[in-house]
Amino acid sequence: DSGVTQTPKHLITATGQRVTLRCSPRSGDLSVYWYQQSLDQGLQFLIQYYNGEERAKGNILERFSAQQFPDLHSELNLSSLELGDSALYFCASSVGDRAEAFFGQGTRLTVV
Amino acid sequence: DQQVKQNSPSLSVQEGRISILNCDYTNSMFDYFLWYKKYPAEGPTFLISISSIKDKNEDGRFTVFLNKSAKHLSLHIVPSQPGDSAVYFCAAQGGGKLIFGQGTELSVKP
Repeated sequence: DSGVTQTPKHLITATGQRVTLRCSPRSGDLSVYWYQQSLDQGLQFLIQYYNGEERAKGNILERFSAQQFPDLHSELNLSSLELGDSALYFCASSVGDRAEAFFGQGTRLTVV
Repeated sequence: DQQVKQNSPSLSVQEGRISILNCDYTNSMFDYFLWYKKYPAEGPTFLISISSIKDKNEDGRFTVFLNKSAKHLSLHIVPSQPGDSAVYFCAAQGGGKLIFGQGTELSVKP
């Protein structure tokens, strides 16, 4: 158990819909990272938050957004969903820079 | 733009021998490097890391080597065990980003 909690574990939704994925970081961790892993693909970095502020952006679509709340949990919002958005979405947390990041078990999103 | 590359998609090694997994990066802003192990449908598990001020870090059977001038790092597993069979990802951290390579699937045969 990494200490990072992601909910829900599975999500099935229709094209055009909007979903919210939630991540609770390990106690004491200030950084949260979000990743997308499509079938047979690597981990694509989406976005990072540090202590409530957006810190770095990767290949995140404009239809996607995220935030980190004062209690440090984070949410990833995916809107106008397309079939190609079906993937595993992981979040990870770390104390900050130059420190190992610990991953949650992921949310499997299926868009039908 | 693949900033972190693992050029070998797969590697097969005999039990007891050394496994060497390689990783190259392109961005000089990266100053901290990590290796993760991953099973299907699970989150990656942290294995070992190295700061850019070092060239070697060892933890039990796992050793990571960093060659900054070549922008290359490698993970050595000695001796390899069947339980080591998994996908291994290298990752590079810098500027707030934590970027992963595409992974190398290691198979350790008894």
